Amino acid sequence: AQSVTQPDIHITVSEGASLELRCNYSYGATPYLFWYVQSPGQGLQLLLKYFSGDTLVQGIKGFEAEFKRSQSSFNLRKPSVHWSDAAEYFCAVGSFNDYKLSFGAGTTVTVRA
Amino acid sequence: NAGVTQTPKFRVLKTGQSMTLLCAQDMNHEYMYWYRQDPGMGLRLIHYSVGEGTTAKGEVPDGYNVSRLKKQNFLLGLESAAPSQTSVYFCASNTGGGEAFFGQGTRLTVV
Repeated sequence: AQSVTQPDIHITVSEGASLELRCNYSYGATPYLFWYVQSPGQGLQLLLKYFSGDTLVQGIKGFEAEFKRSQSSFNLRKPSVHWSDAAEYFCAVGSFNDYKLSFGAGTTVTVRA
Repeated sequence: NAGVTQTPKFRVLKTGQSMTLLCAQDMNHEYMYWYRQDPGMGLRLIHYSVGEGTTAKGEVPDGYNVSRLKKQNFLLGLESAAPSQTSVYFCASNTGGGEAFFGQGTRLTVV
């Protein structure tokens, strides 16, 4: 069974500082990996996705993520956070043969001035 | 583009009442899902459908039923609501393993 772990429940970062959110997955087949963002009271918006190819993936809003198969990780990064990046972030895993996405518990990001 | 639309957006139920949540998508997606979101638990899959007329159980199906009579619609029913079903419910759709598109959510409170 596939599973996703986001070790950090809550991260506080200063505006302008860098951000890294961790995601580890457990999956028997080649995974499809996703990062979603959820602003308060909103639905989930896709930030980026990895299916195959280049292991460094660029997304929207200046985010990027790196797939490391040897570490079963797909960490999300942003070089300089903005106050509008305060939100909850979810990592998810799926595959071509398993259409269901499994989500991590989420990481809440607080941005301080 | 509407994408995925959920109705209603908010609802308060008394214990034992029933209700149906409606999800509609206009992207011609084969696969549709119902998730519930609870603090600290992420999104958990309730039921899903791989096509019109099909449904299957996810990881937390108890107390819920679903139907997919039309490809574009996926209904989630609560026959006898319980306080443990207080949650935010999200519908999503995709084309099989790919990016899932989400609705705006339904905030349900059972008192």
